[in-house]
Amino acid sequence: LAKTTQPISMDSYEGQEVNITCSHNNIATNDYITWYQQFPSQGPRFIIQGYKTKVTNEVASLFIPADRKSSTLSLPRVSLSDTAVYYCLVGATGGFKTIFGAGTRLFVKA
Amino acid sequence: DAGVIQSPRHEVTEMGQEVTLRCKPISGHNSLFWYRQTMMRGLELLIYFNNNVPIDDSGMPEDRFSAKMPNASFSTLKIQPSEPRDSAVYFCASSDPGQGLNTEAFFGQGTRLTVV
Repeated sequence: LAKTTQPISMDSYEGQEVNITCSHNNIATNDYITWYQQFPSQGPRFIIQGYKTKVTNEVASLFIPADRKSSTLSLPRVSLSDTAVYYCLVGATGGFKTIFGAGTRLFVKA
Repeated sequence: DAGVIQSPRHEVTEMGQEVTLRCKPISGHNSLFWYRQTMMRGLELLIYFNNNVPIDDSGMPEDRFSAKMPNASFSTLKIQPSEPRDSAVYFCASSDPGQGLNTEAFFGQGTRLTVV
């Protein structure tokens, strides 16, 4: 499985846009990029998934350049409740195996 | 659907005792994952099953750990004997790769294990 690298932590203020970038230089042709969010004392929760270009849902946007060696999770206008750990995952179709790295701890301040 | 259900939510046991964690995946999901989360090591994949068959157990730390999935609706993770370093939050997750493309994993609330 492709290894991912993302910042250990980030700070932001309420109302700001937050961009978290993940590097995955060894991504394979059939790999998808998936982001999860984890709040304290809860299991991770799926946020967004994409293969190339841009994907947007009601929670976030995911930007993937043409070479797919990195991806950026964009959270618009964050609130205090967005304080969580965000994981970037890369895996093949079928989702048989999901590997989590250390994640990025986002702290949103008032 | 109630989601992935894990029991117990909290477990405190003495070193040397056997511990059994339980998981009920989402109905219809045929992949099941067990993870362990600690501050030091983050979220580690221990083992995953596909159609009740263990596919990869390379993440299982040692022989004291074993996992079974006797049917599509139930799985257990057993630690025997337990040690203080096994203290962690254990998560179970399930997914449905049959949906095609890539899929998401749905996580339970976790079992917080403390071995004293």
